[in-house]
Parts: sequence; structure tokens; C-alpha cells
Amino acid sequence: QKEVEQDPGPLSVPEGAIVSLNCTYSNSAFQYFMWYRQYSRKGPELLMYTYSSGNKEDGRFTAQVDKSSKYISLFIRDSQPSDSATYLCAMRGNTDKLIFGTGTRLQVFP
Amino acid sequence: DAGVTQSPTHLIKTRGQHVTLRCSPISGHKSVSWYQQVLGQGPQFIFQYYEKEERGRGNFPDRFSARQFPNYSSELNVNALLLGDSALYLCASRVESSGANVLTFGAGSRLTVL
Repeated sequence: QKEVEQDPGPLSVPEGAIVSLNCTYSNSAFQYFMWYRQYSRKGPELLMYTYSSGNKEDGRFTAQVDKSSKYISLFIRDSQPSDSATYLCAMRGNTDKLIFGTGTRLQVFP
Repeated sequence: DAGVTQSPTHLIKTRGQHVTLRCSPISGHKSVSWYQQVLGQGPQFIFQYYEKEERGRGNFPDRFSARQFPNYSSELNVNALLLGDSALYLCASRVESSGANVLTFGAGSRLTVL
């Protein structure tokens, strides 16, 4: 079993839809949780960053962490075609070693 | 403000050859990490360096090595290349080696091994 599980998709939604992306994990030592966005042939770009459990909102993006269930989510409201990318969840303990999910490919069509 | 810069952006090698990839962290960042991302997968941790010392190593063979220089830039070396080494190699930097600050990634070096 992988430490971090993420549905690879692809996920295809119409413009304006609410998108829900999720990851589960098994290591209870993880404290820091991140979502990265990666466009084709580019490096990952940090979208959201959360420490421990709770919610965090930034514009159209909301990140949720439920440590009791070992489950994290990213919600995208009013999705746009420019949101089409691969979304990677990542997490770590108190070291630099990030453990990534496989990434979910999102396609938002006009 | 320059981000993490990596070179070369693309390169093609043949099996058995050696490759050196280079990374310049964000100014003021002392920690550099390397990740390998195979097509269709998430990045996998290879190394972390902080203040020129290795602080972490992932599950990669000894053909992979790295170092960090006094100006905090870093090199990743891969010897005896295999077809399976074809991947996007990502460098990431942050201020310290632990704590709350986040990793910022470069655009990567795409290695193709023929």
C-alpha cells in the first residue's frame, strides 16, 4: 500500500463546476499538507499549504485536512479552463521529504 | 525575483552514459532537494542537502549522487544510465531544512535515455 493514495482521473468537468480532489494517507506522522498544480512539462507550483487539521481558503480554492480520517481535499469553485492541469497532493512530517500522490489530471471544458 | 533555476532543460543520453544536472536555489534558501518524476507519477524524493551536508536520501541506487556548493547551488549526478532513468528531474529549495516553510520547485530537467 502506498503512503499516499490519489485517484489519477482524468476528471473532466464543465466550466463553472465545483471540483473536488482528494487524497488519503497512512502515515500519522504527516503534519504539513500541500496541493501543487502542475501544467504539462512544467514543475509543480504550490497552490495551498496547511499545517495539521482544518480548512484554508484562498480565492476559489479551499483545502481541507482531516487528520483523524487521514484524508485531505482540495475544492475548486467556479472552475475555469485555465485550471486544467494535474493536481498533486503532497505531505510530510518535520523533514524535507515530501511524499506525493500520483496526481489527478483535471480537464475543464468551456 | 528569480525562482529555482535548473539546467539543462532537456537532454538526451544513451544507456551507460553519465549525466550532471544543475540547480540554483532561490536567493537565501539553504536547503535543496531533488525529486524524480516519471511520466504519469508523482515526484519521488531522491536527496536533500542543507548547508552542504546530505540530510536525507530516498530509495535510489548508488548510481545517483549529489552535492551542494558553498553558494547553495547543487548538482545531481547519475552514472551508468538506464532506460528507466528517463524522467523529469526536479530541484526544490526552501529556507531551512525543517519547519513550516514550503518547498518551491524549479521547472525541471527532462532526461531521455535511449
